[in-house]
Order: sequence, then C-alpha cells, then structure tokens
Amino acid sequence: GAVVSQHPSRVICKSGTSVKIECRSLDFQATTMFWYRQFPKQSLMLMATSNEGSKATYEQGVEKDKFLINHASLTLSTLTVTSAHPEDSSFYICSARDPLVAGSYTQYFGPGTRLTVL
Amino acid sequence: EDQVTQSPEALRLQEGESSSLNCSYTVSGLRGLFWYRQDPGKGPEFLFTLYSAGEEKEKERLKATLTKKESFLHITAPKPEDSATYLCAVQEISGGTSYGKLTFGQGTILTVHP
Repeated sequence: GAVVSQHPSRVICKSGTSVKIECRSLDFQATTMFWYRQFPKQSLMLMATSNEGSKATYEQGVEKDKFLINHASLTLSTLTVTSAHPEDSSFYICSARDPLVAGSYTQYFGPGTRLTVL
Repeated sequence: EDQVTQSPEALRLQEGESSSLNCSYTVSGLRGLFWYRQDPGKGPEFLFTLYSAGEEKEKERLKATLTKKESFLHITAPKPEDSATYLCAVQEISGGTSYGKLTFGQGTILTVHP
C-alpha cells in the first residue's frame, strides 16, 4: 500500500508559538491530502482538505487563520498551527489517496504528530 | 449528515475466541466503507475497503462484510497481537467541498488475552 510520512512525530511548544507539521507521500503523488485531529479516546475528525496548487477547504468550525495549510507540491502538505494554545494540544494525522490506483478511494494515513502546548 | 456507529465500544476476548465487530452507517450514497486498525499513539493502518453490498474481503484472521446498512469485521481465532482499536469510516458519493471526506465511527477497542 501507499506510504505516508509525517514530521515531527512529537512536538512540545510554548503557548503563543507556531508549529509546522509536514505530511509527505513517499511512493506516490497526491493531488489531495487530508488533515485530521484526534483527541484522547476519541475518533478522528477531519479538519481540512489540502489541494495541490490551490487553497485548502476547511470543515465547519475549523479556524482557517489558526490552522494554515500549504500543499506546495504533489508529495508535500504542511499544517501550521499558529499562536498555539493548550487547547490545540492533540494528535494530528494526515492522509492521502493514490490517484493512479483506478477505482480506489482508499486513504492511507501517516503515523501522526503529537502536539503538546504548554 | 453521515453517521457511523460502532459496537461494542470495547471487546475483551480470550485468545482463540472468535467474534465480530459491527459498524452501522447512514449515508445518502455510499462510495466506500473502510476498516482501519489503530494502535496507541499511531496513525490508522489500512485493512479493507468495501464498495458494494454483498462484498467480502479477507486478510489473515480478519474478514469484512458489507450490507446496505452495516458492515461486520469478523475476527477468527484472535491472538494477543490483534489487540488494537478498530475504526470504521464511510465516504459519501458527493462532489464539491466534501469530496473525499471520511466520517469515522468511535471505534471498538479490542483486547485479546492470552
């Protein structure tokens, strides 16, 4: 199956700082990537859809100015949490679909990034 | 709005004790139903994709089935290493801004005791 990586795996930052998380598709080109957030003992919630070369689409209730998404190439999407606060502490996971696999809508997930804001 | 409900929330099995996990869904048009396994602190690992009622997929001790309203993940003779959270997700046939969106259930936490 397709491989998706994330960096960093863990990050701890002070309140008010910005943090950038990278999501890469390693063995395929992804025109679309997805960013999810998962709170402890809860399921995944879609935050936004990242489209290569265009603006991201955010889910209702997700602040565009706080969670900046850039999809600058076919293998890289970044999520920047700006002016992070303790309530932004969560597990952030990206996913992508290999568009060249005909008829497949399967999304492959990265290993996740644990963000802790002090 | 898409809804996905998984049951039970938690399941404890003895090694070798077969069982099934349930995923009930409500969606206007199903593009696909997906099963993932998630270990603590890690991203979901893909297991199966099902596209139409009556479809079945198998992998080792796992078998996934799909009807028009629900999906089952059957675990045959489980081992302790099968312990994980199993997530079900659906994708709706739609265009526009929701294209590609997965809606997840809350998951079933499976514990297999030796």
